[in-house]
Amino acid sequence: DIVMTQSPATLSVSPGERAALSCRASQSVSINLAWYQHKPGQAPRLLIFGASTRATGIPARFSGSGSGAEFTLTISSLQSEDFAVYYCQQYNNWPSTFGQGTRLEIE
Amino acid sequence: EVQLVESGGGLVQPGRSLRLSCAASGFTFHDYAMNWIRQAPGKGLEWVSGISWNSDNIGYADSVKGRFTISRDNAKNSLYLQMNSLRAEDTALYYCAKESPARYCSRTSCSFDSWGQGTLVTVSS
Repeated sequence: DIVMTQSPATLSVSPGERAALSCRASQSVSINLAWYQHKPGQAPRLLIFGASTRATGIPARFSGSGSGAEFTLTISSLQSEDFAVYYCQQYNNWPSTFGQGTRLEIE
Repeated sequence: EVQLVESGGGLVQPGRSLRLSCAASGFTFHDYAMNWIRQAPGKGLEWVSGISWNSDNIGYADSVKGRFTISRDNAKNSLYLQMNSLRAEDTALYYCAKESPARYCSRTSCSFDSWGQGTLVTVSS
């Protein structure tokens, strides 16, 4: 199975600032990479698919980049509602696999 | 609006069984593959099992193969997970998730565009 490694485990950022979250795959996954936002007690929400395409209703401050084995989720100008755990998922190979998550917290 | 509501979780002893259900609404259920994904306490997300729209294609994670059985009833807009021979390491929040439309997928797998809020399974004596 492909191993997805996210860094850092925890990221502390102030509201209004920019956050960059990394995801690395143990082998190339092309652009078959998704990002999810997960808040306690809520269902995970799909943010990005195809490495860089925002899902329906996702604000433009969320952007994804990368291909192959290195990916980044960037959140520009953090809002209070953006503090959550973020997961990447590769769906290039079966079974699809997730990273361990990055917790984005208020500094 | 897509809604996925899981039920059937609870406290169960090791070696016993449990059946999870997921009631779907707000989309054409029989058009989409469905999955179960779990999150153990303090851990990340783990894909557990998936089933195609017509039940022809089914897959399981190695960790549950031979113990868990996924099924669906398109007439009832429902997804199920029969869990047998439960172990302590199966303790987790179990999510039902809808696969994304084909354009969001690779040839072998997909992203998941809608999730339920989960049902908690605790395996303990």
